[in-house]
Amino acid sequence: NAGVTQTPKFQVLKTGQSMTLQCAQDMNHNSMYWYRQDPGMGLRLIYYSASEGTTDKGEVPNGYNVSRLNKREFSLRLESAAPSQTSVYFCASSASDTMNTEAFFGQGTRLTVV
Amino acid sequence: GENVEQHPSTLSVQEGDSAVIKCTYSDSASNYFPWYKQELGKRPQLIIDIRSNVGEKKDQRIAVTLNKTAKHFSLHITETQPEDSAVYFCAASDFNDMRFGAGTRLTVKP
Repeated sequence: NAGVTQTPKFQVLKTGQSMTLQCAQDMNHNSMYWYRQDPGMGLRLIYYSASEGTTDKGEVPNGYNVSRLNKREFSLRLESAAPSQTSVYFCASSASDTMNTEAFFGQGTRLTVV
Repeated sequence: GENVEQHPSTLSVQEGDSAVIKCTYSDSASNYFPWYKQELGKRPQLIIDIRSNVGEKKDQRIAVTLNKTAKHFSLHITETQPEDSAVYFCAASDFNDMRFGAGTRLTVKP
């Protein structure tokens, strides 16, 4: 099993460009998450999906959109990238439809917006 | 919403010594407290977790304690080894929210 797989691993964007980060899990998990990680700030939740067909905002949703394409896939879209969105992005999944269970993380995407 | 504070931000110990990292949380509804380890350039991985109905949990050299009254929980690593060097994150969660601490960079010197 691959677990949680994210693509791409690295990306450089110019301000105003758009892109989609892809995430897939093969563990038949119900919940999927997108976090961003910035130095000195830990992991902050952008959006999550407790089940196929549902999405909810997290702590820092502004500037992002998500799609839960099916049970396996959860994508994150930046419509108009800004330098403040330079960060490392992690996708995660968990078995339960609630947050109080172990999360399994992907390998991360390092995004730089210039 | 929940607020999690983690201390210290950096910690350096000699191999074989113990390390303690402390976190406080604000939301009394939080009922799940995981600890994640992140090695340089890698993904965070769960090392231990505790639920609000338990005061202490151990797994070999790692232990977590929870004080619900004071709203704080701690990670204890005994007999530290160089491979314990990493960033450690605490988190506090209820059913619909999980907040992470800012992280502690632990360095174990041989």
